[in-house]
Amino acid sequence: QQQVKQSPQSLIVQKGGISIINCAYENTAFDYFPWYQQFPGKGPALLIAIRPDVSEKKEGRFTISFNKSAKQFSLHIMDSQPGDSATYFCAANTRAGSYQLTFGKGTKLSVIP
Amino acid sequence: DADVTQTPRNRITKTGKRIMLECSQTKGHDRMYWYRQDPGLGLRLIYYSFDVKDINKGEISDGYSVSRQAQAKFSLSLESAIPNQTALYFCATSGGRGVNNEQFFGPGTRLTVL
Repeated sequence: QQQVKQSPQSLIVQKGGISIINCAYENTAFDYFPWYQQFPGKGPALLIAIRPDVSEKKEGRFTISFNKSAKQFSLHIMDSQPGDSATYFCAANTRAGSYQLTFGKGTKLSVIP
Repeated sequence: DADVTQTPRNRITKTGKRIMLECSQTKGHDRMYWYRQDPGLGLRLIYYSFDVKDINKGEISDGYSVSRQAQAKFSLSLESAIPNQTALYFCATSGGRGVNNEQFFGPGTRLTVL
């Protein structure tokens, strides 16, 4: 049973455009929602994360929007650049549990010049 | 030097062989994890360990075993490799006492089982 559903599977955006990746979760006990970025040949690395007590978190061009009632969260990349081309994974876990991260299936983002 | 290292980086083996993937970390973290990555399936947890004496099965532990030799070392073994275990394997670590759940990933081991 997949607990974090991520869409789209792939995304092509023009340079300067906005990239949007969406995730939905089922487990209401989740209370930590990170996004990881993975470049080819590398391991994933934490990009940005949010806890459910806020509806939005912004770090530079990257923003997480969180909708607790809908059990959805999304990553917005403003002014997308070719260097943002990577695979993005959303994830979730609960501090009350075992700190296991449950990952979405990933979105391959390609930013074209 | 990298904080989380994995050896080997690439491995080709044959069906039925026993192989071991190794992970070492210099971050001083207590928690270590092994994940498997397959195209279109994302990252799936195989095993995780919160300290040397605490090892737990993840989502897809069948066909795998682990050993936590020390705080800094966590090995993944395939007792009898099969072709559907061909994948990219990642080790990760995390520390802290619940405040920061960030996991730090190694560079991965690409395993091919023929």
